[in-house]
Amino acid sequence: NAGVTQTPKFQVLKTGQSMTLQCAQDMNHEYMSWYRQDPGMGLRLIHYSVGAGITDQGEVPNGYNVSRSTTEDFPLRLLSAAPSQTSVYFCASSLSSGNTIYFGEGSWLTVV
Amino acid sequence: AQSVTQPDIHITVSEGASLELRCNYSYGATPYLFWYVQSPGQGLQLLLKYFSGDTLVQGIKGFEAEFKRSQSSFNLRKPSVHWSDAAEYFCAVEGGYQKVTFGTGTKLQVIP
Repeated sequence: NAGVTQTPKFQVLKTGQSMTLQCAQDMNHEYMSWYRQDPGMGLRLIHYSVGAGITDQGEVPNGYNVSRSTTEDFPLRLLSAAPSQTSVYFCASSLSSGNTIYFGEGSWLTVV
Repeated sequence: AQSVTQPDIHITVSEGASLELRCNYSYGATPYLFWYVQSPGQGLQLLLKYFSGDTLVQGIKGFEAEFKRSQSSFNLRKPSVHWSDAAEYFCAVEGGYQKVTFGTGTKLQVIP
């Protein structure tokens, strides 16, 4: 059982470049979300989705786009990378509200 | 808006000593409350969760937490700490639709 799979694990971008962080889960979970983790800040919610075709903004959505065309996949797009987006990104999923949230192993992104 | 405060950034305990990590939350109704643990370079793993009912919740690895509505707290405890418990611990509150807010984390160091 793969759980939540994120790719790539490491990425270096130049300022202004765009990229997509991929996230896939094989647990048939309705809820998926993206967080960023920065030192001393905990995890902050970027975007989340309660099902295919439904997405909403979290705490820090600026500079990021998401879509949810299937239950399994929830990609995160950086439109024009900025150094402030250097962070560790975690994708997560859960069956429904109040259930255990399963996290991917993280994607380390550096923007230079 | 919901929020979580973990007042201790870093805690050091001796192996075999007891542990209490503090967590205070802010939410209008009874929330879903969680404690997660993160080892270096890893994703987050659920330790325990509170939804309703018994205010003392048992989790994995010998951890427990007590929900105190009057104090808006959900402190994590362990009677005897092991060296393998060294990690970062996050308290989290869910207000619904997987909109989960995490605290800034407490790093636990265990000394022999």
